[in-house]
Amino acid sequence: AQKITQTQPGMFVQEKEAVTLDCTYDTSDQSYGLFWYKQPSSGEMIFLIYQGSYDEQNATEGRYSLNFQKARKSANLVISASQLGDSAMYFCAMREPHTGGFKTIFGAGTRLFVKA
Amino acid sequence: DAGVIQSPRHEVTEMGQEVTLRCKPISGHDYLFWYRQTMMRGLELLIYFNNNVPIDDSGMPEDRFSAKMPNASFSTLKIQPSEPRDSAVYFCASSLAPLNYGYTFGSGTRLTVV
Repeated sequence: AQKITQTQPGMFVQEKEAVTLDCTYDTSDQSYGLFWYKQPSSGEMIFLIYQGSYDEQNATEGRYSLNFQKARKSANLVISASQLGDSAMYFCAMREPHTGGFKTIFGAGTRLFVKA
Repeated sequence: DAGVIQSPRHEVTEMGQEVTLRCKPISGHDYLFWYRQTMMRGLELLIYFNNNVPIDDSGMPEDRFSAKMPNASFSTLKIQPSEPRDSAVYFCASSLAPLNYGYTFGSGTRLTVV
């Protein structure tokens, strides 16, 4: 069963505007972590932001913030003041306890295009 | 720290040949993960290690795939024999233990099997 859903295959945003990338997840665990990663055209995967399932406040990292709505099982990424360099693929991911350790699964990704 | 180091960056091989991908994790990281990325299937977890011990290899597609971690600073992913459908980007990532710790990914190995 798919556990991470990113419903937007592609998104366009005007430079300097804010954009929200959607992510919903499914888990029966009480303790889990939600992450966003960025993959530029160069191919590397870059960790952006983390939200814990017990965190009451939304996570923020510079221009990135995570809109966490636990009851709705959503963890949307908000990028404020978009820049051309934000054009990339963005992946939502969930890390949950697993026998012997932890494992992380990724969504299908959203490709963001920032227009000048 | 130089980050997670993968080699080679690119590999082109003929069907039936053995392929070995290599990874050096960040020193001190407890976990090491191998992922495969394709357009059709996205990012798939193949196998992960905790303190050099394989924990979950349920994502390894077939017996043709094997992975080892002989020590804390080195891991290999081997495909023998390789097939064209194995063509993908293979990522290695490492992490500390806490749930809130993000992964550090290597640059990936782009494998092409012709």
